[in-house]
Amino acid sequence: GQQLNQSPQSMFIQEGEDVSMNCTSSSIFNTWLWYKQDPGEGPVLLIALYKAGELTSNGRLTAQFGITRKDSFLNISASIPSDVGIYFCAVGFQGGSEKLVFGKGMKLTVNP
Amino acid sequence: NAGVTQTPKFRILKIGQSMTLQCTQDMNHNYMYWYRQDPGMGLKLIYYSVGAGITDKGEVPNGYNVSRSTTEDFPLRLELAAPSQTSVYFCASSYPTGGPYNEQFFGPGTRLTVL
Repeated sequence: GQQLNQSPQSMFIQEGEDVSMNCTSSSIFNTWLWYKQDPGEGPVLLIALYKAGELTSNGRLTAQFGITRKDSFLNISASIPSDVGIYFCAVGFQGGSEKLVFGKGMKLTVNP
Repeated sequence: NAGVTQTPKFRILKIGQSMTLQCTQDMNHNYMYWYRQDPGMGLKLIYYSVGAGITDKGEVPNGYNVSRSTTEDFPLRLELAAPSQTSVYFCASSYPTGGPYNEQFFGPGTRLTVL
């Protein structure tokens, strides 16, 4: 099946630091998405990217859709304790917009 | 709107028992999904539905069944529980926008342990 390689698997940072994570695939996708899962909750969409090369910001979050359409990164600037959680990349199944494939997630810990 | 609700929140089953995980959404979404999340493994699609009366398999359908008799409800059935089905189960829903992607809204999850 289609697989996404998400790295790093976990990060421990100090409050105020910036964070960068990325996701790669061996296949081309038309949509890249980034979700966050708070402890004990379901994932929530942070940013959706639809166009190769697209750079999108949402507050302290910035994400980019790679030019090759095989990768994406997510940056978090000036981290705060509520940034703690698991961050997932996801892509839309080729040929259908209704299904997603998720990466394995990156667990972020922020020390106050 | 309550969004996507799931019951129960926690459940312990014995091997061979059966149960139904309930999922309801009040957003009038056409599409609904069931995922399982194993530790360190992300989310895997079990089954999905694009409308009432229509269901289809995802990546990991074995050992599960679904039905979609109404727009609002999408229950997931485990017939003969096995330890490999110990996981956190998430239900999600979305609506067709005509664009390249339909944003999925997730419920809070059901934590299932099979002993």
